[in-house]
This record gives sequence, C-alpha cells and structure tokens, in this order.
Amino acid sequence: QQQVKQSPQSLIVQKGGISIINCAYENTAFDYFPWYQQFPGKGPALLIAIRPDVSEKKEGRFTISFNKSAKQFSLHIMDSQPGDSATYFCAASIPGNQGGKLIFGQGTELSVKP
Amino acid sequence: DSGVTQTPKHLITATGQRVTLRCSPRSGDLSVYWYQQSLDQGLQFLIQYYNGEERAKGNILERFSAQQFPDLHSELNLSSLELGDSALYFCASSTGQGGETQYFGPGTRLLVL
Repeated sequence: QQQVKQSPQSLIVQKGGISIINCAYENTAFDYFPWYQQFPGKGPALLIAIRPDVSEKKEGRFTISFNKSAKQFSLHIMDSQPGDSATYFCAASIPGNQGGKLIFGQGTELSVKP
Repeated sequence: DSGVTQTPKHLITATGQRVTLRCSPRSGDLSVYWYQQSLDQGLQFLIQYYNGEERAKGNILERFSAQQFPDLHSELNLSSLELGDSALYFCASSTGQGGETQYFGPGTRLLVL
C-alpha cells in the first residue's frame, strides 16, 4: 500500500515531442506528489510538485496531471529537448506522524533524440 | 547547487568495515533525510531527523545508525559492511517536519569490496 508504481521504465522521444510518464498509488493518505529529475552522478532535483486538491499544475514546459479518483498522476514534458535526457522519479509522501519520507517510483530513463 | 553538502563524494572500503557519511543541510532547514539508491531497490528512505530528534524511520538496517547534531548536520554510520551495501547514499533537507520540498545533496557513492 506504500508503493508508487511508475511507467514506463524507459522512454525515447524525438526532439520537440511530448514525453509522458505515469505513476499510480494505492494509499489515499498520500498528500504530496513531487517529481524529481536526476542526471548521472547527481542528486535528484525537484522539478514540480502537486497536492491532491489540484488536478493540474504547469511550470514552463512541465505539467503534472492528477487524477484523484483513479489514484494516478503523470508528468508531461512539452517540446522535449536533448537536455531533458535524465532519469525522472515520481514520489509521494504522507503527512503527520510518519514525517516527510518520500516514497519513490522506480524511475523512468528519458532519452530525447535530436 | 541545492545547498546541501555531503562528504565524502566517494568511499571505497572492505566488507566488515565501518564508515561515516556526513551531511550539512541547507541553511535554515531543520529536517535531514537519508536515502539509499541502488540499481535493484531504487531510491529508498532510510531515516529522518528533525531538529535533532528522530522523526521517521524507514527500512534502515540495524547495522546502520544516524544522528543529527546541535548544528543540524547529520551523520549516517554504516557498520559491518556487506557487498550489498554498495550504493549511492543521499541526504536531503527541508524546512519543516515533512510534506514540503526536499532538497537533495550530491550523494556519497559507497563501494564495498
């Protein structure tokens, strides 16, 4: 119940295309859903985050779509660029007594071809 | 640069040994989190400290321990090391007790031979 399932495991997109990564969860107590971007040899960096009272959040070329009833959320990268090639992780956390631990999906390795 | 620093960057040691990983959070952040990243397990939460006190615990092995000092830096101690402990260890920090942005450090790559 504490899992976050992420797909696909890897994704190849042409430059200028749309990259879509999906995540699903079971625990309805999750209330914070961030996406992290990680380049090889670096730590994860926050890209964008959403809370379940919002169905969509957009920051530049990055959009999170959130479907509370389906317990799914996704990351859309518009106009994908070679510099977006990285591993993307979705995550979820529960507030309160369980602290702020993030439960991560397994990651998606994105490759944007020029 | 997230503002979170970790030392050392790389660590090579032998099975059975003990190592200490150090983390300095961003200025003003009171929470420190430790995560382990391996190829087979992905990013796994180990433990969280908030203002010097343990706040939450994940699947942290009994051979592993951590603490947060009065200046808010944290150390993760790994003992009786096994080959399977080879991984990237990340520290993250946040302002409050949880539910807000966590900023990750560059990580320590541990190799146990």
